[in-house]
Amino acid sequence: EAGVTQFPSHSVIEKGQTVTLRCDPISGHDNLYWYRRVMGKEIKFLLHFVKESKQDESGMPNNRFLAERTGGTYSTLKVQPAELEDSGVYFCASSQEHAYNEQFFGPGTRLTVL
Amino acid sequence: GNSVTQMEGPVTLSEEAFLTINCTYTATGYPSLFWYVQYPGEGLQLLLKATKADDKGSNKGFEATYRKETTSFHLEKGSVQVSDSAVYFCALSDLPGANSKLTFGKGITLSVRP
Repeated sequence: EAGVTQFPSHSVIEKGQTVTLRCDPISGHDNLYWYRRVMGKEIKFLLHFVKESKQDESGMPNNRFLAERTGGTYSTLKVQPAELEDSGVYFCASSQEHAYNEQFFGPGTRLTVL
Repeated sequence: GNSVTQMEGPVTLSEEAFLTINCTYTATGYPSLFWYVQYPGEGLQLLLKATKADDKGSNKGFEATYRKETTSFHLEKGSVQVSDSAVYFCALSDLPGANSKLTFGKGITLSVRP
């Protein structure tokens, strides 16, 4: 069974540009999470989908970030326009329906904004 | 809000040395506690977990005990191997169980030399 995949693995863009990150969760996992780790700091929660609905988006830093999960399968996280402080590693995780289920993480997308 | 504090790193040990990585937390209620590990080039993997006070999580020779009185969840291993070289993250969940957002510590890099 394939794990959580993320694309691209690396992205380098200039300030003001737009970037879209993609996450494909494990098939059948209703829960999908986005997290971000800024260099040397904690991994911070961004938001949580249950199927196609946003369950919790309390961690989204501002309205330059837009997350979608159309059809309840893969998810995209768009940053528009990107700022220098958006640089970091963006992780996606998925889990099954019930509580106590482990979150399975993808390898992350390293975003560098110049 | 909830927070997790990990000891500062990086940590370098010789093979077969004893490992302790300290983790303390601040949380309301009764969180579940986790250790995640990230091997080079891979996503985070759940290493072990504990869901209530005095529980001991264990896996691959690693152990951690949920200490409510000291709000700690220190990770230990009696004899580390080169293959244990990775980044280790302590985390807690807001709700009892892993199927909710996670709050992470900063992570600590462990390097084990032959």
